[in-house]
Amino acid sequence: DTEVTQTPKHLVMGMTNKKSLKCEQHMGHRAMYWYKQKAKKPPELMFVYSYEKLSINESVPSRFSPECPNSSLLNLHLHALQPEDSALYLCASSQNNRVHEQYFGPGTRLTVT
Amino acid sequence: LAKTTQPISMDSYEGQEVNITCSHNNIATNDYITWYQQFPSQGPRFIIQGYKTKVTNEVASLFIPADRKSSTLSLPRVSLSDTAVYYCLVGDNGDTGGFKTIFGAGTRLFVKA
Repeated sequence: DTEVTQTPKHLVMGMTNKKSLKCEQHMGHRAMYWYKQKAKKPPELMFVYSYEKLSINESVPSRFSPECPNSSLLNLHLHALQPEDSALYLCASSQNNRVHEQYFGPGTRLTVT
Repeated sequence: LAKTTQPISMDSYEGQEVNITCSHNNIATNDYITWYQQFPSQGPRFIIQGYKTKVTNEVASLFIPADRKSSTLSLPRVSLSDTAVYYCLVGDNGDTGGFKTIFGAGTRLFVKA
């Protein structure tokens, strides 16, 4: 199983809402990542988890809160987002955080109204 | 932080070989070069990775000159389904937390019949 799954596929939320994005992999990978991608732009790294611990936070605003409950799951909790946060949110995993080959999920298309 | 520069777009015809060059003048000694492919509304897919000289897999070849300041992704006999965005990445070995994957702007390849 070389699949990274993400739920939901689409999400529309208001600026006062709280929602969560979920990512799951069962490849035994010990590094997991969150990226944000705006239309016609490259993915931008947000967070990296290594062995369930946050190892990189690319100065992401606190309205984005990552969580790694176990080695297979990665969540991104969203609160008080702004319309400019609308984007495709991609999750990825890799064998560890020193390996470049990452497996990406299909993403969650987020719209903030 | 090694920055990458790629052509914004390229056109090709089915059956042709396509070469996409990426410049990374500030590549560090420990950095690897990685290429990803991304179709619309999907997550990127790992294509190939290399450190120096030439690497070949079932999908592509990667040519890296001795000075490593550039690299060329070669796609043999492209088909319409190879129409996608191709990203060149140079691994940034952060002080802590492992690699930071910094995507370049990407090259939009359009394959015509």
